[in-house]
Order: sequence, then structure tokens, then C-alpha cells
Amino acid sequence: DAGITQSPRHKVTETGTPVTLRCHQTENHRYMYWYRQDPGHGLRLIHYSYGVKDTDKGEVSDGYSVSRSKTEDFLLTLESATSSQTSVYFCATEDSYGYTFGSGTRLTVV
Amino acid sequence: QQQVKQSPQSLIVQKGGISIINCAYENTAFDYFPWYQQFPGKGPALLIAIRPDVSEKKEGRFTISFNKSAKQFSLHIMDSQPGDSATYFCAASMEHSSGSARQLTFGSGTQLTVLP
Repeated sequence: DAGITQSPRHKVTETGTPVTLRCHQTENHRYMYWYRQDPGHGLRLIHYSYGVKDTDKGEVSDGYSVSRSKTEDFLLTLESATSSQTSVYFCATEDSYGYTFGSGTRLTVV
Repeated sequence: QQQVKQSPQSLIVQKGGISIINCAYENTAFDYFPWYQQFPGKGPALLIAIRPDVSEKKEGRFTISFNKSAKQFSLHIMDSQPGDSATYFCAASMEHSSGSARQLTFGSGTQLTVLP
């Protein structure tokens, strides 16, 4: 997806460990979002950012934190990973045409 | 609380047929209703979107029908093709105060399979 890079694409981690997912955009968009996708639930908003150092919680924010120190980077941290956080995580940016999503990070917590 | 309900969960259509996916919302403050298409291993991509001041929007084989009084909207795919096989999500969002993000609330998704 043009302008949005998520890393890593796949990760397996152990319960209780911290994990950080990265979203990098090259379009200088103000708004950035982290969603998780689970079967039967669609995409659910975890956290979002409306500017550098400006973030807020979404629908399913418990157990997650975010940081945005530069316009282009939006980090999602699982402070102590649990099996319920096994999911596919998508980052998105927003412009006047709508949302653009990255290709996702598949995270497995064992 | 699920604010956007989507049905069916899965749909199988013959090539050339019409695929219809329905969504219903609860919050009357929603003012933007996009549909996203997602292929395996990819992120969702914007397909078509509508605002509540119109009842229908058509782009090629894809049409959104919008019923404001019933708080429902639907996606119609005419002349469905095997290449349309994907997961489709409806969504809704509302305008927020200046500086706040326009958050999308998604339906649960419909897995469409178009048989050749």
C-alpha cells in the first residue's frame, strides 16, 4: 500500500513479553490509526493519533500503548503480551479521500 | 457495543450474478459510509463511499444504496466476477471537533466467493 509500511510483517512472541509494532508513512498525513482484525469482529480501533505527541484511546485500548514522536512514525506497544492479543494489526492514515491501510502485521502470542 | 451490523457473514454467488451485502447502523450522527474490499494478506482498500444526502452512488459495477430513515445501507456488485472474491467491510464515521480524528467503525465483514 502506497506510503504506509508496517514492520514486522509477522511476529511470534511469548506471553508476558513486550512487543512493539511500527507504522511508517511517507505522505505526511496528520491522522494515524491502529486497528486489530479478528474473525467475526471486523476491524476494531485500538488507538489513534491526530498529531505528533497527540494520541487517544479507541474501542479496545486495554493492554496497548502508542507513541508518535514524528509525523511519519506511529508505534504500537503491547506492554505484556497475552494470547488474546494474537491478531492481525493494521495501521492506517487518513486524508481527504479516506483511509489508507498498511499490509498488516500478523502477531502470534504463544 | 457494535454500532454497525453487517450481513451476511459469507456469500457465494455464481459468475455474472448480483452480490448484495447489507449493513445497519445505530448512531444517527454518522455522516460518511464507506465500503472496503480486502484480499488475503492485504490491508482493506477503499472501494466506494456515500454520504447521507444521496440515496445511491454507482461506480462501475459497484453501487451503494442508502436508506437514511431505516438507517441501512447496502453494497450491490453487478455482474460479479471471480476476481471480486474477497472480504467486504462496511463502515461508518462522523465528523468530530477540530483536531480530532474521524474514526471509522467497521462492520464484521462478509466473505464473498464468486464461482466461475
